[in-house]
Amino acid sequence: GENVEQHPSTLSVQEGDSAVIKCTYSDSASNYFPWYKQELGKGPQLIIDIRSNVGEKKDQRIAVTLNKTAKHFSLHITETQPEDSAVYFCAASILDSNYQLIWGAGTKLIIKP
Amino acid sequence: EAQVTQNPRYLITVTGKKLTVTCSQNMNHEYMSWYRQDPGLGLRQIYYSMNVEVTDKGDVPEGYKVSRKEKRNFPLILESPSPNQTSLYFCASRPAGGARGYTFGSGTRLTVV
Repeated sequence: GENVEQHPSTLSVQEGDSAVIKCTYSDSASNYFPWYKQELGKGPQLIIDIRSNVGEKKDQRIAVTLNKTAKHFSLHITETQPEDSAVYFCAASILDSNYQLIWGAGTKLIIKP
Repeated sequence: EAQVTQNPRYLITVTGKKLTVTCSQNMNHEYMSWYRQDPGLGLRQIYYSMNVEVTDKGDVPEGYKVSRKEKRNFPLILESPSPNQTSLYFCASRPAGGARGYTFGSGTRLTVV
């Protein structure tokens, strides 16, 4: 079955710098890759997603890139701000009516002032 | 407001005392799921339900039960809790089909002593 590995487990960056979190997946049939952000004391929330027919997607300071050949995808956050501090989860799935997300283990992002 | 509501937020109980964590969503979502979150292990799926009266095991179903008698409710039942079930639990829902994001509840912190 599908397996998703996420790195690093903790990432500390200076405010204003960029942050990159990487995930690799094992099932070449996976075609949907969402990213969730979990703030302290809250449940995860979808921030961006990408399908396998697209190589990159942007939403303001957040972007996700996908390399299908290498089976990895990454979350890029530019001009980081204190409110970006959170745990970020990647996931992968084969998109159909019964799709189940396979989750990465999470990355704790710390923004240093 | 569209939301997933879990109760209670915090619970301390003793080994063997049956408990139920409730989950309710007001978005008419077909799909609902329970996860547990433990440090370093990310989100692990316990049970999920594709619709009323349709439930299936996730990755870590041992020691848990669920029911889906109504579309909006998906309670998690621990018949005989044990200390290894101490964890942070999340309920989530999404519409059937398509690349739709999951909506998570705020979590239930369970401690079994």
